[in-house]
Amino acid sequence: EPEVTQTPSHQVTQMGQEVILRCVPISNHLYFYWYRQILGQKVEFLVSFYNNEISEKSEIFDDQFSVERPDGSNFTLKIRSTKLEDSAMYFCASSRNRNTGELFFGEGSRLTVL
Amino acid sequence: AQTVTQSQPEMSVQEAETVTLSCTYDTSESNYYLFWYKQPPSRQMILVIRQEAYKQQNATENRFSVNFQKAAKSFSLKISDSQLGDTAMYFCAFMKYSGGGADGLTFGKGTHLIIQP
Repeated sequence: EPEVTQTPSHQVTQMGQEVILRCVPISNHLYFYWYRQILGQKVEFLVSFYNNEISEKSEIFDDQFSVERPDGSNFTLKIRSTKLEDSAMYFCASSRNRNTGELFFGEGSRLTVL
Repeated sequence: AQTVTQSQPEMSVQEAETVTLSCTYDTSESNYYLFWYKQPPSRQMILVIRQEAYKQQNATENRFSVNFQKAAKSFSLKISDSQLGDTAMYFCAFMKYSGGGADGLTFGKGTHLIIQP
């Protein structure tokens, strides 16, 4: 069964460093998402992406964040200058249809900022 | 903005019992969807069940059913004949309907359900 894959599973970085989290969505899906979950808190929406552009983004997704689909396969989340509060589990998701809410999630990438 | 509240951080039941997880939400939207997602210990969230707000009939998927009370803004999940594999975090989620774009889900904090043998 096709699934969303994410790399790395865990990354430790120093504050101020750039981080790129990678995701391979399910191949025939058209909509892509990033969510994050700070330890002990809710899963929060960051951004959605369709047709090579951002569709919607939350207040969390500020200028330090960017997304890209560089090669038609990968979907990346870049954090330019990490802060301690960026430490979280980051989930990538994809869906075939808009407005069904049936998202297929990856297992997540845990980011630890020291 | 929407909010989703799950008031039960953790629940534990015996195998084969029926368990109900509660969820309330707040929104000014009239068209929306509600979901229950399951996150087993492997951490990959999967969709359990979906309810369109305009539908009065409660959604059912095998052993999983919902009790959707639109006026009360309540959306509980009932799991019948619970199994060990049902042990997981369960997240209630909301998505507003819009005519364009891809909208994000608003999640509750989750309920950790433990099925005891």
